[in-house]
Amino acid sequence: RKEVEQDPGPFNVPEGATVAFNCTYSNSASQSFFWYRQDCRKEPKLLMSVYSSGNEDGRFTAQLNRASQYISLLIRDSKLSDSATYLCVVPFRGSQGNLIFGKGTKLSVKP
Amino acid sequence: DAGVTQSPTHLIKTRGQQVTLRCSPKSGHDTVSWYQQALGQGPQFIFQYYEEEERQRGNFPDRFSGHQFPNYSSELNVNALLLGDSALYLCASSFFHWDRGSDEQFFGPGTRLTVL
Repeated sequence: RKEVEQDPGPFNVPEGATVAFNCTYSNSASQSFFWYRQDCRKEPKLLMSVYSSGNEDGRFTAQLNRASQYISLLIRDSKLSDSATYLCVVPFRGSQGNLIFGKGTKLSVKP
Repeated sequence: DAGVTQSPTHLIKTRGQQVTLRCSPKSGHDTVSWYQQALGQGPQFIFQYYEEEERQRGNFPDRFSGHQFPNYSSELNVNALLLGDSALYLCASSFFHWDRGSDEQFFGPGTRLTVL
């Protein structure tokens, strides 16, 4: 299994839709996880940190299943401005220093 | 409060040349990490600097080297450039906690390097 693997995408959804991204990781020692958002030709921006079973912030919910080594990101009521690439991130071997990024899943929200 | 800044924003070099990229961390952060992002890929970890020393290193050759200064700013140097070094180079800053490693990392806008 690759260290961090994400749905390949792209996901094309209408405004208002609910969309879920999945991510699996291979290092079972990881204690924290992150979702970053990256707009075209811009830097990644931290969207959510996940330290326990999950985290919720407005329309965004991240869930963690340690037994299955699986993380998900749910976006409710999609907005046009949610269009971006979403990167699943896992610290290497449990450390916080070296972040392992997935290849990202591209989301396009259409009117 | 300025976030992470990087310079230059764009750079064009030819094969065999050397390049130096610069990064200033977010105020209050003491740790700088460097990443390389090729087109269509996620960022790949190059190395991390804390207390002016390289703490961790990813799978990159010795042609990639760095430095951290007492004011926490950092440089990434790449020698003997190859065509494959063309990428977006991202700097990320964070605060190091002795009990749990570094905190969430915040990225600068990146330097886009093109090697011809």
